[in-house]
Formats: sequence, C-alpha cells, structure tokens
Amino acid sequence: AQKVTQAQTEISVVEKEDVTLDCVYETRDTTYYLFWYKQPPSGELVFLIRRNSFDEQNEISGRYSWNFQKSTSSFNFTITASQVVDSAVYFCALSVNSVNAGNMLTFGGGTRLMVKP
Amino acid sequence: DGGITQSPKYLFRKEGQNVTLSCEQNLNHDAMYWYRQDPGQGLRLIYYSQIVNDFQKGDIAEGYSVSREKKESFPLTVTSAQKNPTAFYLCASSKPGTGRRGYTFGSGTRLTVV
Repeated sequence: AQKVTQAQTEISVVEKEDVTLDCVYETRDTTYYLFWYKQPPSGELVFLIRRNSFDEQNEISGRYSWNFQKSTSSFNFTITASQVVDSAVYFCALSVNSVNAGNMLTFGGGTRLMVKP
Repeated sequence: DGGITQSPKYLFRKEGQNVTLSCEQNLNHDAMYWYRQDPGQGLRLIYYSQIVNDFQKGDIAEGYSVSREKKESFPLTVTSAQKNPTAFYLCASSKPGTGRRGYTFGSGTRLTVV
C-alpha cells in the first residue's frame, strides 16, 4: 500500500519569505509518480508538477522549485519570495504504475500555507 | 475547452433526504473519482470508476451510491444513511496510466445539512 505524509498541517509566513513544504512517501513499487496540487480558496485542485521515480532531477518553475530525493523518499516543494496569492492548501500525491492499483492517486493530508502581507 | 463540471456549487440537504451531485467531463477520460474533503482535512476517496458500467468502493463508501452509465457522467448520491454528509465533494477524472497531469478536478460541490 502507498502512503503520503505531509507533516506540516499549517505554515504561516510573511510575504517575500521563502517557504518549503515537506512531503514524504512510502511505496514498494519501483515505478511511481509524484504530484503536487494547489487548492486555492475557490476549492478546485490545480496541478503543479508531476515527477516519475526515474527522474531525480530537481525542477524549477519561476518561484517554485521541487526537490526529489529517493534516498529519503521525499518530494519537497519550495516557494521562493512568497506572495499573498500563494496562500492555499497544497497536496502531495503518489501513484504507482500497477494494474492492481488502478492508477489511483494517494494524497497526503495537505499543508495550509498562509502568506501575510 | 475540455474540463469537468460539477453542479450545483452549493447544496443544502434536509435530514433524511437523498441528494445527487452531478459530475460531467468532456475530456474523454475513462476513469472518474469522487472525493470528500472535510474542513482542514485531506481528501478521502468515496467511489471510483475505471470504465463505464463498473465502479468500486473507496475508503468511505458507506452512505453513498454512484452510477456510471455514460463515460462522461459519474453522479454521486448522498443517501440518508450518510450520518454526517456536510463536506466539500470533489470529482476528478483521469486517463488510464495517470497521464501527464494525473487527475483533472472539478470545482467541487459544498454540501450542507440543514
């Protein structure tokens, strides 16, 4: 079975601070995919990034960056120079490439990020 | 534009009443999912369907029912057996193999018992 843990339930920062959201996952499968989603106050989950288990290269997209480390089973998300518009709930998720798993996403509990002006 | 449409956005239910939440997608996705989200909580899977006319129970299926008569539609009925239905409900869809973007989500339905 798969498991995703986001130990930080809430984080509060002041605008322009950098912030890192932690994600730790568990799976016995060697082929898997990791995702981050953003849920703004409107409620819809918005896809941010997908990573497969064979690609440990870190990725940067504007102020967002992701650090994937298989050795520690972590897929952390950093926002640089945070802005008020970054305030949202962020979910980390995992799926495995298995017919039995039915391509199901397993979600972490989410981290609520509050960026204060 | 392709996407998932959930309706209504807000729904109020009286005690003992069944209500149905609509979820329609025009993405040609085979798989569809229903999640429940309680305030300050993560997502819990209610039901999912990998193909038309087939669906499976998720982690919290009790008190809910679904149907999948068409590829585009996956309605969720919250029955009177669901003792605490007040929550935010999210529908999602995906291609087989998760696809490049994992799931596509609808904008959700907020259900309140009055």
